[in-house]
Order: sequence, then C-alpha cells, then structure tokens
Amino acid sequence: GAGVSQSPSNKVTEKGKDVELRCDPISGHTALYWYRQSLGQGLEFLIYFQGNSAPDKSGLPSDRFSAERTGGSVSTLTIQRTQQEDSAVYLCASSTQEGDTQYFGPGTRLTVL
Amino acid sequence: QKEVEQDPGPLSVPEGAIVSLNCTYSNSAFQYFMWYRQYSRKGPELLMYTYSSGNKEDGRFTAQVDKSSKYISLFIRDSQPSDSATYLCAMTYSGAGSYQLTFGKGTKLSVIP
Repeated sequence: GAGVSQSPSNKVTEKGKDVELRCDPISGHTALYWYRQSLGQGLEFLIYFQGNSAPDKSGLPSDRFSAERTGGSVSTLTIQRTQQEDSAVYLCASSTQEGDTQYFGPGTRLTVL
Repeated sequence: QKEVEQDPGPLSVPEGAIVSLNCTYSNSAFQYFMWYRQYSRKGPELLMYTYSSGNKEDGRFTAQVDKSSKYISLFIRDSQPSDSATYLCAMTYSGAGSYQLTFGKGTKLSVIP
C-alpha cells in the first residue's frame, strides 16, 4: 500500500522567503508528526497532530514555524521569512494512533541560500 | 545529560562481522524502543520495535533492551555492504495527554567488502 509521501522532495529558496512543505500520511493514520534533521544532528521533533488538533507544539523552534492539518489527512508545515539555519531535511511521519510506531516519508530537503 | 545518548561513530567493519550498536537513556518512563535505519537522502525506516526487556530477533538483526540498566542494543550478524547506513535508536512514552518520542543522534555504519 501507499506510504507517507512528502512534497517537494527538494526546495531551494532565498533567505526571507516563505516556504510550504506538504505531507500526505498513510490513509487511516490519525497521528502525524513533523521532524527536522539538520546536518550532523539527530532527528528533532517539531510538532504532532492527533486528528486536526496539535496537542504538542513544543518543538517548533520559533514563531516563524507553523503547521496545520485539515480533514485529518494532509498536513502543511510553513516556514515564514526563512533563515539559513532553517536548512535541513524535514521529515513527516504518521501512525495509527498516539504511541504507535511511526512510519516516515522520504523527507523534503530545504536549502536556504 | 541528554535523555538518549548514542555514539555517533563512524563505525567501520569488514563484511561478515558482527555489529553492535548501543544507546543509553535516562528517562525510566520510556516504554517502547525502536531502531531505525536511514540511508543517505532517505527517511528513516523502522527495523525493530520492542517494549520489554530481553532480546527480539528478526533475521540477522537482534534488538536487546535492558530496562534496569537503561541500555538498548542492536546487533547485526553477518554484516553486508548493504547494511551501510546510519542507525538511529528511538524511544517513546505516552499517557495522560503527553507524548514523547526521542531519537538518538544516530551511528553511521560502513561495512567494507
């Protein structure tokens, strides 16, 4: 069956521009997670959705980062006024419910020039 | 002290060797333990998932959890060049409206033919 998909796979943008990253979770998975992996760093948790609500936004690094999920399915992560330190691979994962194993998408590689 | 400690390596072994990858953790609330494999430019893929102390075997892979010592290991027998990747340990707990999934920083493994 189809796994988690993310788009775009690569995004190059200029400092100060806004970017939007998309995640399509596995059908039927109610929990959705966003992570960031910077060069040489471990996976950093950003935000978690259960259905359309986000009980845990603690990982968002600044107010330039926001995320939404509509219809209990697709999620978008928006980064406003991008900075060079935002360059990373952004990974999305989904699971059947909170606490279950997460399955990851291929990631979006963001480069901010 | 970080909640999850993992030696980043790099680790280089000859083909056919037994590989031992380890993580220690400090939070005794962690309930579930996972190992992910991540190839370059790919999202992490789940290798092993366990929730109790002891060993769990799957083919050439064995996951070991020692909750009393807060120590987990992944063993790879008869290592192959295709095992060359970064291996991440992860652990999680959930309950009472809170959720935490924490990854180690990953160990980069190279298996030399």
